[in-house]
Amino acid sequence: GAVVSQHPSRVICKSGTSVKIECRSLDFQATTMFWYRQFPKKSLMLMATSNEGSKATYEQGVEKDKFLINHASLTLSTLTVTSAHPEDSSFYICSAGYRGALYYGYTFGSGTRLTVV
Amino acid sequence: AQKVTQAQTEISVVEKEDVTLDCVYETRDTTYYLFWYKQPPSGELVFLIRRNSFDEQNEISGRYSWNFQKSTSSFNFTITASQVVDSAVYFCALSEASISNNFNKFYFGSGTKLNVKP
Repeated sequence: GAVVSQHPSRVICKSGTSVKIECRSLDFQATTMFWYRQFPKKSLMLMATSNEGSKATYEQGVEKDKFLINHASLTLSTLTVTSAHPEDSSFYICSAGYRGALYYGYTFGSGTRLTVV
Repeated sequence: AQKVTQAQTEISVVEKEDVTLDCVYETRDTTYYLFWYKQPPSGELVFLIRRNSFDEQNEISGRYSWNFQKSTSSFNFTITASQVVDSAVYFCALSEASISNNFNKFYFGSGTKLNVKP
């Protein structure tokens, strides 16, 4: 089935540094990638939607200059948290849509737990 | 606007008990999809079911069953004879149906944490 590989699974970084999270579609072309954020014991909130080759669409309240999304190819989308601060510590998870022979579906990456110290 | 409500924040049961997780949704769309996902402590989302808004048939998969009722905008999930391995956070989600080859975002409920004690 359609698989999205997300790396790293865990990352600890110092405040002020940038962190890049990658999501790769392994056996399908991910034309659309969704990036979600989950605070501890909270729900998943959509941060942005990216379509291959175009600029990402950010949800209201999400800083586009802080959370840079690149979707330059059909198999790779990246989220870069720039100048990370402790309040950016969270669980980030990507999701891609895929099309099968009879229907379409969605697959999620395994998530990245970011801790900013 | 789309909205998913999971009123039960946390449920604790003893192993072998049956448990139902509630999900109520709001949408103005006539065509949509409903999902249930399991999130164990490791964090990944495990797909459980997807239901098309046109298909109100209840579904059973092993110990899991789902009751979709459009009249009450509910999509409840029941685990029969619960096991310790069922302990996790369960999310209900809503997505608009795809048109014009577009994929659509998910609206997640706030999740229900299920604790199954031995």
